[in-house]
Amino acid sequence: AQTVTQSQPEMSVQEAETVTLSCTYDTSESDYYLFWYKQPPSRQMILVIRQEAYKQQNATENRFSVNFQKAAKSFSLKISDSQLGDAAMYFCAYNNNDMRFGAGTRLTVKP
Amino acid sequence: GAVVSQHPSRVICKSGTSVKIECRSLDFQATTMFWYRQFPKQSLMLMATSNEGSKATYEQGVEKDKFLINHASLTLSTLTVTSAHPEDSSFYICSARVSGRRNTEAFFGQGTRLTVV
Repeated sequence: AQTVTQSQPEMSVQEAETVTLSCTYDTSESDYYLFWYKQPPSRQMILVIRQEAYKQQNATENRFSVNFQKAAKSFSLKISDSQLGDAAMYFCAYNNNDMRFGAGTRLTVKP
Repeated sequence: GAVVSQHPSRVICKSGTSVKIECRSLDFQATTMFWYRQFPKQSLMLMATSNEGSKATYEQGVEKDKFLINHASLTLSTLTVTSAHPEDSSFYICSARVSGRRNTEAFFGQGTRLTVV
């Protein structure tokens, strides 16, 4: 079974600074997708960014980028120019047929 | 983007009764839908995978007779919590994937907060 590990239960960042959230996963598959989802207090799951495993280029979405290391099975999320609205739970997810989530990282943004 | 509507958003029921939660894909067809349970300050735990026209696949440890899943159409899956007990109180979230796109993102409903009293 695939497992997703987020080793940082909580992270804090100063507004306008950069923060990196870590994620590792375990799989024997070669074709899969990886995602970062954001869950604000409303608990609505919001897609932040996605990465296709066969693509070597790291995905980028405005202030959000990933560092995808396939051999190391690592998929970290970098948030640049952090904003107060970025405060939320962040979940790393692995998708191959079904989607599995890591334990989550609670991000606090300090003004 | 694709929209998934989950209803109700909140429900309170008495112990021993059953409650049904609906998950609808509003603007796309979803052969596969997923049901998750989320405890406070914890992650989403996959309960079952719902496939249109066939039986759901349950994760290990999930009682299929307690959590009945029906996926009768390409836009609707339902989760029925039968004979609910206080320990079933939780936040339940569904997600749906566009038909024919196995590994792409899933779209999430707003979640249902179930309280069993």
